[in-house]
Amino acid sequence: DAGVTQSPTHLIKTRGQQVTLRCSPKSGHDTVSWYQQALGQGPQFIFQYYEEEERQRGNFPDRFSGHQFPNYSSELNVNALLLGDSALYLCASSLVTGVHDEKLFFGSGTQLSVL
Amino acid sequence: SQQGEEDPQALSIQEGENATMNCSYKTSINNLQWYRQNSGRGLVHLILIRSNEREKHSGRLRVTLDTSKKSSSLLITASRAADTASYFCATDAYSGAGSYQLTFGKGTKLSVIP
Repeated sequence: DAGVTQSPTHLIKTRGQQVTLRCSPKSGHDTVSWYQQALGQGPQFIFQYYEEEERQRGNFPDRFSGHQFPNYSSELNVNALLLGDSALYLCASSLVTGVHDEKLFFGSGTQLSVL
Repeated sequence: SQQGEEDPQALSIQEGENATMNCSYKTSINNLQWYRQNSGRGLVHLILIRSNEREKHSGRLRVTLDTSKKSSSLLITASRAADTASYFCATDAYSGAGSYQLTFGKGTKLSVIP
């Protein structure tokens, strides 16, 4: 049973460039959440996708956008990269149930460095 | 923003000792979860405690929740070197428009010395 997979594992970009990160959820999961984790900090919620729509969003600018495909996989796009966007980007999947006690399954993350 | 705040920020203990980490939060929650992260990689879910529960056990883990004080604690008994990791509490709370959001704290870095 494949867990959450993310690609690429590492990425180096320069300021002003655009980047796309990819995530495949755990088998059977229908919801994907994206988090940004700066060094020494906890993960910060970016947004969540369910049924191919953005269901909720954290306090991130419009430069951060996403997409969910019919097979539940997801992409995170960041435009006009800033030095402060350097971080570990984590994808997490979950399954919507009738009872809201969802736990998240995380991928290993994509380490983005902006130079 | 981060609702949960772990204490201490770092903890160093000898193998075999118990480790206790605390988490405080600010708003009403649906549940509180603890996660573990090794070396800046993906997080692993450890345990979930609902707002109407006061204590929960899972193997060597014991979690307590005090909603009146808006605080939780994670106890790891008989620690092992392999428990060395960062531990995060995450609060699941209503964020409006029928949605709930899981918000993480800054974490406690635990070092278990063999």
